[in-house]
Amino acid sequence: QVQLHESGPGLLKPSETLSLTCTVSGDSITSEYWSWFRQPPGKGLEYIAYIFYTGTTDYTPSLKSRVTISADTSKNQFSLRLDSVTVADTAVYYCARRRTVGSYHWFDSWGPGTLVTVSS
Amino acid sequence: DIQVTQSPSSLSASVGDRVTITCRASQRIADYLNWYQQKPGKAPKLLIYASSSLQSGVPSRFSGSGSGTDFTLTINSLQAEDFATYFCQQSYSSPTFGQGTKVEIK
Repeated sequence: QVQLHESGPGLLKPSETLSLTCTVSGDSITSEYWSWFRQPPGKGLEYIAYIFYTGTTDYTPSLKSRVTISADTSKNQFSLRLDSVTVADTAVYYCARRRTVGSYHWFDSWGPGTLVTVSS
Repeated sequence: DIQVTQSPSSLSASVGDRVTITCRASQRIADYLNWYQQKPGKAPKLLIYASSSLQSGVPSRFSGSGSGTDFTLTINSLQAEDFATYFCQQSYSSPTFGQGTKVEIK
């Protein structure tokens, strides 16, 4: 059974860079697409990015200028970098596996999430 | 971006009730619609994919339907463990989620 786990600093100051890593067990990151989401406290879910191990990436337009997603197949991990954070980036960040069948996809396995707080 | 709008934003129901949540997309998305359940402090859990396909391990009291712009999640005979927030998500283009429907105990 696949398991995902996010790790990274929980507290940042405005203008700093957020770096998170998702460690995957029970599946190889070469098998599927892998994604990042976030959820501000008390609010809905926002898609951030996905990556395929070959280097194919996709970013949500609103964050594209500040976000980089990458993968390390040797560690079975993928990572998220978000530059120049502001208070508005405070959220629980989730990593997830994207299952793809034909033209359909869905997110079937999620990490527990990690709270990132941006505060001066 | 394709917007997805859920209704209602919250509802109160009793154990044993039948609950229906709707999701409307801002443009036609065929059956590219998924449903998730989220409990406080927990990650989302996939319930339904491709509008009506039940994810493995999810109880059969959950069902989904719809195509085009209008979709429905139905919970037959609501159980205590079903009190949670439910989100729809379109996968026709860059993923977007509905704002959520909180199912509370009456």
